[in-house]
Amino acid sequence: SQTIHQWPATLVQPVGSPLSLECTVEGTSNPNLYWYRQAAGRGLQLLFYSVGIGQISSEVPQNLSASRPQDRQFILSSKKLLLSDSGFYLCAWSGGTVSYNEQFFGPGTRLTVL
Amino acid sequence: QKEVEQNSGPLSVPEGAIASLNCTYSDRGSQSFFWYRQYSGKSPELIMFIYSNGDKEDGRFTAQLNKASQYVSLLIRDSQPSDSATYLCASRRGNTPLVFGKGTRLSVIA
Repeated sequence: SQTIHQWPATLVQPVGSPLSLECTVEGTSNPNLYWYRQAAGRGLQLLFYSVGIGQISSEVPQNLSASRPQDRQFILSSKKLLLSDSGFYLCAWSGGTVSYNEQFFGPGTRLTVL
Repeated sequence: QKEVEQNSGPLSVPEGAIASLNCTYSDRGSQSFFWYRQYSGKSPELIMFIYSNGDKEDGRFTAQLNKASQYVSLLIRDSQPSDSATYLCASRRGNTPLVFGKGTRLSVIA
């Protein structure tokens, strides 16, 4: 079966500090990978998606970046966090060798920037 | 601009009743449609998806799709308090990223 991991589960960071969130998928190969942010009481905002190693599409210009160093690993980063970066960060996957079209979310990372 | 619209709610239904959740989508090229359930503080969980016009049933859940009207709905039969959550509708064209609505909050009253 397929499993998606995200860590850390919660994070409190000061403004201006760096950020690195990691997501890994098990049980499938060559998945599409996604990063979303959900601000308190708001909808899901797609930040980045990747259809393969080293291929990143950015949906929203901001101080965040993403990388995909391995087939099933997706990393979200920032050099300097802003207060507005607070939110619930969700990694998701779809496609690959198992799923055709369904998209599955990881457990999420709740980030608070103070 | 591709959009998926949902009534934000809250939609309140008594326990045992049928809850009806609706959404409309703007992209006529959308081919697949998804319903997710999100409990407070948790990540979205896929309930079911539908590709073809008509109804698709899975347990207490029925998804309905009308491509001519660009309308998708989710019926929850015999609603339980544990069904209280936010329900997200999403559409997809081919292999592009899902387009999500903002969700409808459902409250099932015991």
